Amino acid sequence: EAGVAQSPRYKIIEKRQSVAFWCNPISGHATLYWYQQILGQGPKLLIQFQNNGVVDDSQLPKDRFSAERLKGVDSTLKIQPAKLEDSAVYLCASSLGSGNSGYTFGSGTRLTVV
Amino acid sequence: KQEVTQIPAALSVPEGENLVLNCSFTDSAIYNLQWFRQDPGKGLTSLLLIQSSQREQTSGRLNASLDKSSGRSTLYIAASQPGDSATYLCAVDTGRRALTFGSGTRLQVQP
Repeated sequence: EAGVAQSPRYKIIEKRQSVAFWCNPISGHATLYWYQQILGQGPKLLIQFQNNGVVDDSQLPKDRFSAERLKGVDSTLKIQPAKLEDSAVYLCASSLGSGNSGYTFGSGTRLTVV
Repeated sequence: KQEVTQIPAALSVPEGENLVLNCSFTDSAIYNLQWFRQDPGKGLTSLLLIQSSQREQTSGRLNASLDKSSGRSTLYIAASQPGDSATYLCAVDTGRRALTFGSGTRLQVQP
């Protein structure tokens, strides 16, 4: 089966600019996650979707981050305006559902804010 | 709130050594625990998934154990090779929310 697709792989932007990331999960996976991984740390959940509804966005900085999952398939994550501390790898993952399901991660988008 | 800790943060060993990576978690009410490998600049590759009812899982030279009651898991790597050099991440699934990750152990296997 095809894996989780993410684009772009790399992005460099200046602070206060906006950026968007795209994720296409594994076909049939109802649950989609966006994680932020700062260098030297483990991934931290930003937002979790179940189909096209939000399950958990408690750690999403909503003043600058937004995410949507259209028709319960693809998802986009946007940052506007970006700050220096947003420099990180943004990982998308999908699973059949919470609990007892394996997760599959995409290769991530490495964002550098200068 | 679930917290996951991994020790050591970094490890350097000569090729051929057997080694153990440790993971501890604060809430024992988990559905499963997963070990991932991450190569520099890459995404996460799942190595082993242990269901809450299991004690261990094996894949090739890798063996992961789980002790839910004590909140611990170990990843054992036998006969380490330079190709094993990567960051190893432990993550727990409580079934209610997404995975909670540790900060990882950065492994370097010297030829």
